[in-house]
This record gives sequence, C-alpha cells and structure tokens, in this order.
Amino acid sequence: RKEVEQDPGPFNVPEGATVAFNCTYSNSASQSFFWYRQDCRKEPKLLMSVYSSGNEDGRFTAQLNRASQYISLLIRDSKLSDSATYLCVVNEGGYQKVTFGTGTKLQVIP
Amino acid sequence: DAGVTQSPTHLIKTRGQHVTLRCSPISGHKSVSWYQQVLGQGPQFIFQYYEKEERGRGNFPDRFSARQFPNYSSELNVNALLLGDSALYLCASSLTTDNEQFFGPGTRLTVL
Repeated sequence: RKEVEQDPGPFNVPEGATVAFNCTYSNSASQSFFWYRQDCRKEPKLLMSVYSSGNEDGRFTAQLNRASQYISLLIRDSKLSDSATYLCVVNEGGYQKVTFGTGTKLQVIP
Repeated sequence: DAGVTQSPTHLIKTRGQHVTLRCSPISGHKSVSWYQQVLGQGPQFIFQYYEKEERGRGNFPDRFSARQFPNYSSELNVNALLLGDSALYLCASSLTTDNEQFFGPGTRLTVL
C-alpha cells in the first residue's frame, strides 16, 4: 500500500459544480496535513493546511479523519481557474518526514 | 517580500557529470527541503535541513547530498548523473521543520 494515495483523475466538472477529493494515508502517527495546487510546469503552491476540526477558506473546505486515515478537499462553485492538479501532503514526523500524493487532476469545463 | 529562489532555472548535463543546485529560502525561514518531481508524479522528498543540520532524508542514493549554510541557503549536489535523474528539482522553505512549506520555481535538470 502506498503511503499516501490519491485518485489521479482527471475530474472533469462544469463551472459552478462542487467537487471533492480524498487522500488516504497509511501512517497513523502522521502529524500534519496540507493541500497544495500545482499548475502545469509550475511549482506547488500551498492551498491550505488541514486541521482535525476542519477548516474553510472561501470556496475551499478541508477535513481530516484520523480514524479512517484520510483527508478531503471540497471545492464549491468551481471556477475555470481552479483547473490544476491538487496534491495532498502528509508530514509523518521522524526522519522520512514528508510524503506527497501523486496528485488529482481537476479540469473545470465552461 | 521575495519568495524562495532557485538557480539555475534550467540545466543540461550528460551522464556521469556532477551538478549543484542552489536555493535561497524566504527571509526568516530556517528550514529548507529538497524534492525531485518527475512528470506525472508528486514531488519526492530528498532532504530536509534545519539550522544547518540534516533533519530528514528520503529514499535516494548516496549520490545525492546537500548542505545548508549559515544564511540558511542550501545546495543540492548530485554526483554521477544518470538519465533517470532528469526531473524538476524543487526547494521549499519553512519556518521550522513541521510548518507549511513554500516552494521555489524549481530547477529543471535534463541528463543526456
């Protein structure tokens, strides 16, 4: 089992739709979690941290479920500019600390 | 404020050569991490440095090494380059080892 798993997609959704991505992780001792977005041939950019209590930033909501070992990202009212690859990141602590998922590609269609 | 900077932006080398990549973190950030990203994959963790000490290492061979300088900038060195080392090399800085990381634009390395 991969340490961090994401559905690679692509997810093709119309403008205005709501879309959700999940990311599962294998190390139950993982300490911190993040979502990044990456545009084609660009560096990843931090979208949001993920807290146990859940957190929201505008149209974006992130949640952590420690019992089931997954994090989620919900995007409401999708915009064309949301088209990108969304990477989940798990900081496991210890010496091999940070693991990225392979990313989920989102394409928002007019 | 300046973000994370990396140099060079692009590099072409041949097999067996050596390469040095450079990174300057965001002012005030003391931790620098290096990642390798090949097409279609997420970034793979190579090293993390904090206060000039190695604090994390991924599953990369000993041909990969790094260091952090007193001004918190960092170098990634790769010896005996292989074709499979062709990738985008990303540097990320953070305040400490567990905070959010902010990425530089990367160095695109091509090994021929």
